[in-house]
Amino acid sequence: QQPVQSPQAVILREGEDAVINCSSSKALYSVHWYRQKHGEAPVFLMILLKGGEQKGHEKISASFNEKKQQSSLYLTASQLSYSGTYFCGTDIASYKYIFGTGTRLKVLA
Amino acid sequence: NAGVTQTPKFRILKIGQSMTLQCAQDMNHNYMYWYRQDPGMGLKLIYYSVGAGITDKGEVPNGYNVSRSTTEDFPLRLELAAPSQTSVYFCASREGNTIYFGEGSWLTVV
Repeated sequence: QQPVQSPQAVILREGEDAVINCSSSKALYSVHWYRQKHGEAPVFLMILLKGGEQKGHEKISASFNEKKQQSSLYLTASQLSYSGTYFCGTDIASYKYIFGTGTRLKVLA
Repeated sequence: NAGVTQTPKFRILKIGQSMTLQCAQDMNHNYMYWYRQDPGMGLKLIYYSVGAGITDKGEVPNGYNVSRSTTEDFPLRLELAAPSQTSVYFCASREGNTIYFGEGSWLTVV
């Protein structure tokens, strides 16, 4: 039931774009995206709601695929501060909230 | 604004000992969660609660117990600690689509 994220890890140069995917065996009705730095709690980036509405970061956007079993996070013009581990999070039952497997992102100068 | 407060922040336990990780929130949220995060891994749901007196199992509940006697508090009990329970534990509360995390509790079982 845990959403699977891809890629597992990605390395970018500053200014490059990245896409991170979050795939579920069931339809996703809303998806949160987080960034976590080592030793810290996850930090909320944005939420993608079932109608496609987004709330969050200006340089980060997200979408669902046609069947809403995958959400993709788009990072534009990456900065060094974007480095960290990205997680998607979603309800798999009423308020039973779990996280995806995670994607490690490293941005190089 | 305290938000979600976890105590202790660091703890070392011996195998077989028991302990309680405390979690308190001052936002009057009904929904609360406990997660564990092993080194280099993702967050796994241990238990969650949708209100005082109501708790339910998450993905990895074995070896843990919880209670929710008040809206504010959601303690996590470890019975007979094992090395496999060495992890960082995060408590969270939720209002609508917004989730608030505590700073984490680092637990080592030796």
